[in-house]
Amino acid sequence: LAKTTQPISMDSYEGQEVNITCSHNNIATNDYITWYQQFPSQGPRFIIQGYKTKVTNEVASLFIPADRKSSTLSLPRVSLSDTAVYYCLVSYNTDKLIFGTGTRLQVFP
Amino acid sequence: DGGITQSPKYLFRKEGQNVTLSCEQNLNHDAMYWYRQDPGQGLRLIYYSQIVNDFQKGDIAEGYSVSREKKESFPLTVTSAQKNPTAFYLCASSTSDRTPYEQYFGPGTRLTVT
Repeated sequence: LAKTTQPISMDSYEGQEVNITCSHNNIATNDYITWYQQFPSQGPRFIIQGYKTKVTNEVASLFIPADRKSSTLSLPRVSLSDTAVYYCLVSYNTDKLIFGTGTRLQVFP
Repeated sequence: DGGITQSPKYLFRKEGQNVTLSCEQNLNHDAMYWYRQDPGQGLRLIYYSQIVNDFQKGDIAEGYSVSREKKESFPLTVTSAQKNPTAFYLCASSTSDRTPYEQYFGPGTRLTVT
């Protein structure tokens, strides 16, 4: 049974690097992992996407090990405005989309 | 500006009434989705549509209905058969090309049924 799990919450301080892991079993070779950020009462916003090794953009990096049973979102030097809930989305079998339960990140000054 | 709009932002209904939530996109996306989000929980897929005049049930379709008569519109009806309709409803859209799962989300509609 496909399942996507994340830590419920994480705390950090401004300027630190934050790594949020998503565990996903039964992921197929071509399935993508996508991360979203959500602020209260707003729709999720796309952060980064990939399906193998490492992807980097201007706001984050995504690390996917060879076995692809997990992935890690890395946020460098977080600020107070990064306080939000972060969701991973895994596309199982290309037509089944399963969101993780979300990780609530709290950044302190 | 291109994007997805959902209206209204807040909606209140009496139990037993059907209610329709609006979702419109001008991104020229083929695929559209409806999700439900309950407090402190993740998003659960209600329905999705990959092309006009076609849609598929998601994980929690019971008590909901949709239509896709136009590419840019994907309204969701919450029927009286839905046992716990109070929730935050999110609409999304995506392309069907090389990044098929980069979904763009609307601002959401918070439905309260009493």
